[in-house]
Amino acid sequence: AQRVTQPEKLLSVFKGAPVELKCNYSYSGSPELFWYVQYSRQRLQLLLRHISRESIKGFTADLNKGETSFHLKKPFAQEEDSAMYYCALSGGATNKLIFGTGTLLAVQP
Amino acid sequence: KAGVTQTPRYLIKTRGQQVTLSCSPISGHRSVSWYQQTPGQGLQFLFEYFSETQRNKGNFPGRFSGRQFSNSRSEMNVSTLELGDSALYLCASSADRLAFTDTQYFGPGTRLTVL
Repeated sequence: AQRVTQPEKLLSVFKGAPVELKCNYSYSGSPELFWYVQYSRQRLQLLLRHISRESIKGFTADLNKGETSFHLKKPFAQEEDSAMYYCALSGGATNKLIFGTGTLLAVQP
Repeated sequence: KAGVTQTPRYLIKTRGQQVTLSCSPISGHRSVSWYQQTPGQGLQFLFEYFSETQRNKGNFPGRFSGRQFSNSRSEMNVSTLELGDSALYLCASSADRLAFTDTQYFGPGTRLTVL
């Protein structure tokens, strides 16, 4: 079965602390993995995708096929990073996204 | 470019009624997908339309249907509404280059409440 698991509903850290949002997936094949973010009162938007291997707003994510994980990391959290983060996968060459349940990141001053 | 727009933003219906939601994609985008977001189930894929044809379908009953027009605008319809259909319905559009999964641009959503 295709599934994305985000084990933490809420992650609270202090400003300047490292952040790691966990994402594990189940998929038979080669999925594409994404992180989408929703800031307060804003639309859901793409943060990054594994095939581009880029760093966006200081966030990075590495696809670990052995552990079927795609954790999102940032070395030093900022207050403006507070948002809802969703991990998602697709089967590749399709626009159907399977989302995790999301993790609310709260960065305390 | 203007973003994805959805109308109406809020709807209140009663059980048994039907409802139609509308989505206008970003200009030039040919693919429109619909998602249902609820606190219990999270974001779930409903269906995707491309060139007026349904290309992908999620695991929802036949009461949920959609269509796409020649200008890429899309509508989704829910018939015989149930209380459990109360949700935020999100529309997303993409340029659909289909060599890989294209970036989905989401609209603000339509909040449907079924009483």
